[in-house]
Amino acid sequence: QQQVRQSPQSLTVWEGETAILNCSYENSAFDYFPWYQQFPGEGPALLISILSVSNKKEDGRFTIFFNKREKKLSLHIADSQPGDSATYFCAASARAGGADRLTFGKGTQLIIQP
Amino acid sequence: EAAVTQSPRSKVAVTGGKVTLSCHQTNNHDYMYWYRQDTGHGLRLIHYSYVADSTEKGDIPDGYKASRPSQENFSLILELASLSQTAVYFCASSDYKNTEVFFGKGTRLTVV
Repeated sequence: QQQVRQSPQSLTVWEGETAILNCSYENSAFDYFPWYQQFPGEGPALLISILSVSNKKEDGRFTIFFNKREKKLSLHIADSQPGDSATYFCAASARAGGADRLTFGKGTQLIIQP
Repeated sequence: EAAVTQSPRSKVAVTGGKVTLSCHQTNNHDYMYWYRQDTGHGLRLIHYSYVADSTEKGDIPDGYKASRPSQENFSLILELASLSQTAVYFCASSDYKNTEVFFGKGTRLTVV
């Protein structure tokens, strides 16, 4: 059972455009949603995260939009740069419920064309 | 800066052989994790630990054992390696339940 789903599997955008990566989940108990960025040959690294009490979180060019009712969230990368080319993982956990692990989606491979 | 070091970085193992992947963290974190990454499957949790000398099963523990002899060290053991265990394995640590998780660079395991 895939509790966290990501789309698209792969995305190519031009430099300077806004890339939009989507994520949806099934477990209503999930209340913490981090996004991880992974470059080839490296481990994933935390990029930005949001709690379910918020509907938006910004950090520079990166913004998470969260819709609790629809169980959906999206990561927007504004003014995309070639250095943003990486795989992005949406993850979730039920912190309030004492969950001790993150559930990851399968990832979106983002390619920024110069 | 948080550091999680994995060894070896790559390994070729023979089917039926024993494989041990090692992980060392200098973050003073309580939680440590072993994930497996396969193309098209994302990251799946194999085993984790929140205290030395204790390990917990993750989502895909079959065929794997784990050992946490100290707070800093966490090993993943494949007693009888199989072709299906060819993957990239990531060790990670966090200071509490799923706060920021710091990953190592991964170990590419090929079972032949």
